[in-house]
Amino acid sequence: EAQVTQNPRYLITVTGKKLTVTCSQNMNHEYMSWYRQDPGLGLRQIYYSMNVEVTDKGDVPEGYKVSRKEKRNFPLILESPSPNQTSLYFCASSPRRPGYGYTFGSGTRLTVV
Amino acid sequence: AQTVTQSQPEMSVQEAETVTLSCTYDTSESNYYLFWYKQPPSRQMILVIRQEAYKQQNATENRFSVNFQKAAKSFSLKISDSQLGDTAMYFCAFTNYGGSQGNLIFGKGTKLSVKP
Repeated sequence: EAQVTQNPRYLITVTGKKLTVTCSQNMNHEYMSWYRQDPGLGLRQIYYSMNVEVTDKGDVPEGYKVSRKEKRNFPLILESPSPNQTSLYFCASSPRRPGYGYTFGSGTRLTVV
Repeated sequence: AQTVTQSQPEMSVQEAETVTLSCTYDTSESNYYLFWYKQPPSRQMILVIRQEAYKQQNATENRFSVNFQKAAKSFSLKISDSQLGDTAMYFCAFTNYGGSQGNLIFGKGTKLSVKP
């Protein structure tokens, strides 16, 4: 089944403890992206990647890191999480530019206390 | 900067009736794509419909259709014969055709409730 897989689905952590949210797609898509969703703000892009080793900042990149060492994987790293990073996170992928529409993962609900 | 505006934070409709969700956007580009995504309580983001700006014809997917007014920069979603399963957040989204950024810009969403 063609899909984007995110893990974990839920995560509660403490301020300052490094964490990684994994994302993998099995569709051989070139584009991958991370979004965060907050009430009243919609979805905002954190980082995106156009292909292996090619990444760039989105609208809200502060406090996050990404890497794209393999085409299928695009992990999101929070080196020192803070409470304002409590949010719902989505990974998404697209075969080319997003004109084809992104396929989204099922989301990761992160709480930083 | 491109922006997407959904002016209706919440809407409700009776089952079997028709409802229209509004979306406006701002861009100086002439070629772009517009989307409507649905997010049910399961929180999964589901692509409902896609419109290419250079196409005059409005996109349709079963009970879902759009009214694309390029000059007015308007992209509304019409849901016909509403069903209880249509209860969800609906997000309008925009991306440039030639953009290398890969950024899909979302509105803040409209929460739709379908009542029995």
